[in-house]
Amino acid sequence: DAGVIQSPRHEVTEMGQEVTLRCKPISGHNSLFWYRQTMMRGLELLIYFNNNVPIDDSGMPEDRFSAKMPNASFSTLKIQPSEPRDSAVYFCASSQGSRDLNYEQYFGPGTRLTVT
Amino acid sequence: DQQVKQNSPSLSVQEGRISILNCDYTNSMFDYFLWYKKYPAEGPTFLISISSIKDKNEDGRFTVFLNKSAKHLSLHIVPSQPGDSAVYFCAAHASNFGNEKLTFGTGTRLTIIP
Repeated sequence: DAGVIQSPRHEVTEMGQEVTLRCKPISGHNSLFWYRQTMMRGLELLIYFNNNVPIDDSGMPEDRFSAKMPNASFSTLKIQPSEPRDSAVYFCASSQGSRDLNYEQYFGPGTRLTVT
Repeated sequence: DQQVKQNSPSLSVQEGRISILNCDYTNSMFDYFLWYKKYPAEGPTFLISISSIKDKNEDGRFTVFLNKSAKHLSLHIVPSQPGDSAVYFCAAHASNFGNEKLTFGTGTRLTIIP
């Protein structure tokens, strides 16, 4: 299994531009999570999908952020317009969603976003 | 409001000695705890977990201890090896979340000195 795949690995953009981060979860996993890692807050959950349906988006910072999961094998996180304070590493993770599997989530390698 | 706290941003330990990483939490509804390990330029990977009905779980060199009354858990690594140098995240699941959501701490960077 290739694991969780994220693209791009690095993104540098100018303030005001639209940024789209992509994620392909592990095949067979029915839950998908988007996280943001910062020094101050560690790993923050932005949004969580189960069976392609958003379950918890309470971590989405503001309306500039949106996420979609059109099918079981693809999700996007979009920032429009981007701001310098959005600079961080964004992780996607997936899981099989069962207590018997200890809530373990499998993370992708992350996308390092820099907004200048 | 940081419900999961890792108060030591960094820790240095001599190779062969014991590494102890600490995590404190505030939510009494947390029912499951996990430790993740993260190398630079990689995503976090699952290391070990413990249910709130237990006070200890061991897997090879790694042991997690849970003290519910103190709302504290710790990860012990013994003996420490250079490959253990990484950032360690503590995470918790709450039974009142009603979903699979995990709350993560800010991480502790462990450096093993050869």
